[in-house]
Amino acid sequence: DADVTQTPRNRITKTGKRIMLECSQTKGHDRMYWYRQDPGLGLRLIYYSFDVKDINKGEISDGYSVSRQAQAKFSLSLESAIPNQTALYFCATSKGSLYEQYFGPGTRLTVT
Amino acid sequence: AQKITQTQPGMFVQEKEAVTLDCTYDTSDQSYGLFWYKQPSSGEMIFLIYQGSYDEQNATEGRYSLNFQKARKSANLVISASQLGDSAMYFCAMGDASGQNFVFGPGTRLSVLP
Repeated sequence: DADVTQTPRNRITKTGKRIMLECSQTKGHDRMYWYRQDPGLGLRLIYYSFDVKDINKGEISDGYSVSRQAQAKFSLSLESAIPNQTALYFCATSKGSLYEQYFGPGTRLTVT
Repeated sequence: AQKITQTQPGMFVQEKEAVTLDCTYDTSDQSYGLFWYKQPSSGEMIFLIYQGSYDEQNATEGRYSLNFQKARKSANLVISASQLGDSAMYFCAMGDASGQNFVFGPGTRLSVLP
């Protein structure tokens, strides 16, 4: 079984809809991250969490919110989706600051 | 602020040859880490190699090595004996000691030719 899972893997939604992307991990890591990937821009950090009670905004948090339900679960919500939020979204975990991040398989989101 | 630059949008290499993917970074921190990830066409992100700013030796992992030149702020990835399966996007990334800043470069698309 995969260490970091994301659901759904693909989602098409309409402008204005609320949508939640979920991430679960079995690696036992405290740190979890949400990124979005757009062509030519690499990955950009949306939110990160160092533990259940610690949530921080990343580079591009506007229009997004997150919830850390447990050490193993970190959800990303788009309160009112807009077309420029169409992207590939990744969840990641890590053991600490200067350790590699382990990525989920990604969620491809299309907002029409 | 931290920044990663990858100046090669695309690279070609012949199978079995070595290839170097460039990465330069900008930071005012003394303690930081540099990472390389591979993203094949299937989309997943695969960690390849890590170099800490205080590491005196260049990192190596199998066919991957990281040519770390701290004074020049460069962290180039060298892939030896390229294989067809190495065709993918490659991202250079950087994190600081606080863990609050983690940035990726725009990536280099590597194509290995038979």
